[in-house]
Amino acid sequence: DVVMTQSPLSLPVTLGQPASISCRSSQSLVHIDGKTYLSWFQQRPGQSPRRLIYKVSNRDSGVPDRFSGSGSGTDFTLQISRVEAEDVGVYYCMQGTHWQVTFGQGTKLEIK
Amino acid sequence: EVQLLESEGGLVQPGGSLRLSCAASGFTFSSYAMSWVRQAPGKGLEWVSGVSGGGGTTYYADSVRGRFTISRDNSKNTLYLQMNRLRVEDTAIYYCAKDSLSGRTAEVDYWGQGTLVTVSS
Repeated sequence: DVVMTQSPLSLPVTLGQPASISCRSSQSLVHIDGKTYLSWFQQRPGQSPRRLIYKVSNRDSGVPDRFSGSGSGTDFTLQISRVEAEDVGVYYCMQGTHWQVTFGQGTKLEIK
Repeated sequence: EVQLLESEGGLVQPGGSLRLSCAASGFTFSSYAMSWVRQAPGKGLEWVSGVSGGGGTTYYADSVRGRFTISRDNSKNTLYLQMNRLRVEDTAIYYCAKDSLSGRTAEVDYWGQGTLVTVSS
């Protein structure tokens, strides 16, 4: 199985400051179809996960533009340009390129 | 609007069985792969099982293969998960999830509200 390793696992951030979460895979996530199936999800306390980013850098409809995704191969990053109070929660990366689908351990973002 | 509504979970004894269902609406159900993803209390997300849009191809995590069976009824827009020989470690919130592709799980885009399954004596 492809192992997804996120860092940090805990991320205290001051309101208005940027935040960055790293996600590294144990194998390249480039599929034979040429696409990279790396997604990012946000899970607010007590809620279901919500997808923010798909195929590395495509933002879902309704997701604020302060969220952005980047990376390639085995190294990916979710960035929040200015953290707001509503961003508190746990963030997960997920790969769908290789079978079985696997998630990162999660990064808990809190306000400092 | 995409809606995924899981059936109520419940308390089951170790070794017992339970069937979950997920009623889907707001999209052409048969055109998309569907999955079950679970989350143990206080833990992260674990993909459990997936099925292609037509229902002909199924996929399982190693942890549940041989015990769980995923299926779908496209005429009823409903996804199922039959869970047999349940173990304490299967205790989790189970989420129904829609994919953006037809053939397999690769890009989950919508999640249900989740249903709690507790396996305990």
